[in-house]
Amino acid sequence: QKEVEQNSGPLSVPEGAIASLNCTYSDRGSQSFFWYRQYSGKSPELIMSIYSNGDKEDGRFTAQLNKASQYVSLLIRDSQPSDSATYLCAVPMDSSYKLIFGSGTRLLVRP
Amino acid sequence: DTAVSQTPKYLVTQMGNDKSIKCEQNLGHDTMYWYKQDSKKFLKIMFSYNNKELIINETVPNRFSPKSPDKAHLNLHINSLELGDSAVYFCASSQAEQYNSPLHFGNGTRLTVT
Repeated sequence: QKEVEQNSGPLSVPEGAIASLNCTYSDRGSQSFFWYRQYSGKSPELIMSIYSNGDKEDGRFTAQLNKASQYVSLLIRDSQPSDSATYLCAVPMDSSYKLIFGSGTRLLVRP
Repeated sequence: DTAVSQTPKYLVTQMGNDKSIKCEQNLGHDTMYWYKQDSKKFLKIMFSYNNKELIINETVPNRFSPKSPDKAHLNLHINSLELGDSAVYFCASSQAEQYNSPLHFGNGTRLTVT
């Protein structure tokens, strides 16, 4: 079983729609969860972090965490073409420094 | 500018050669990492150093040798390069433990082995 799993996509949504990106993880002991955005040819950049169950909102982004289901998601409201990128879910494993990334979901926002 | 910087940005070399990638961070972070991103965009951890001490050493061929002269620098030396080493190598840093500290990435080094 992969440690952090994401649907590779591409997920295609029209401009202005809500994009929903999902991630599941295997380590029940994980306490922190991160979403990174990576544009083609660029380095990953942090867009959201979440540490407790529930929702966390930051602008157009909302992260949702359900530790019981080992599931974390990212919602992007009012999607813009500039949101087109690969979104990487990352979870530290074994209560350590080891941050494990999912394979990423490619998001395409159609104008 | 405060950042994680790595050099070179591009590296093209032939099989069998030895090459190095350098990384420096001026964020005052304690921990630095090397990640490898392959052609399928999968980002995989290779090594991590905390205050110059090696703390993560994943299943990486021993042709890869990291070195951290101080907590602001982490270099990666690769011996006897192989075609399969072609990838983008990212340096990253974080403050203390990852429990609540995200990674800050450098711009990457695209290594092409011919």
